Amino acid sequence: DAGVIQSPRHEVTEMGQEVTLRCKPISGHNSLFWYRQTMMRGLELLIYFNNNVPIDDSGMPEDRFSAKMPNASFSTLKIQPSEPRDSAVYFCASAIDRVPPLHFGNGTRLTVT
Amino acid sequence: AQRVTQPEKLLSVFKGAPVELKCNYSYSGSPELFWYVQYSRQRLQLLLRHISRESIKGFTADLNKGETSFHLKKPFAQEEDSAMYYCALRGYQKVTFGIGTKLQVIP
Repeated sequence: DAGVIQSPRHEVTEMGQEVTLRCKPISGHNSLFWYRQTMMRGLELLIYFNNNVPIDDSGMPEDRFSAKMPNASFSTLKIQPSEPRDSAVYFCASAIDRVPPLHFGNGTRLTVT
Repeated sequence: AQRVTQPEKLLSVFKGAPVELKCNYSYSGSPELFWYVQYSRQRLQLLLRHISRESIKGFTADLNKGETSFHLKKPFAQEEDSAMYYCALRGYQKVTFGIGTKLQVIP
């Protein structure tokens, strides 16, 4: 298994642009988590899905952020419009029935200028 | 609410010295605690969990419910231990991570 796959690895965009981050969980994992990593705040849970259904999105910072999971093998995190303070590394992780260990992807490093 | 506190953002030790990375938690129920590690340019990976009571790469961690702590310890630090370490708590329905501690082992 290739593990959790995230794309792109790096994204540089200008303020105001739409950004879409993608994640493919490990086959058979039915829980998917989106985290944001910054120096100041560490790893913050943004949202997680169980069986493709969003369970807790209380960590989503603003309405500019949205996440979808149209099927068991794909999820997106969208920021529209993006702002410089959104610059961070965004991690996707998957698990079985929300039971750790969480398996993390390599992350997407987002830079908004 | 569940919360994980890692009071040190950076911990520098000399090679061969003992290491203790602190983690305190807040949770009303019975917690499940973990340590994750992120080496340079690699993804986060599970290091150990309290229920298995194991030693991984020389690291151990004991859950102290009285002090609500789950400190990570190693008697002799090695250069390859340099990494980011995250303490995590699995509570009701979600996993919460601490802010992380960067361990720097000085040769």
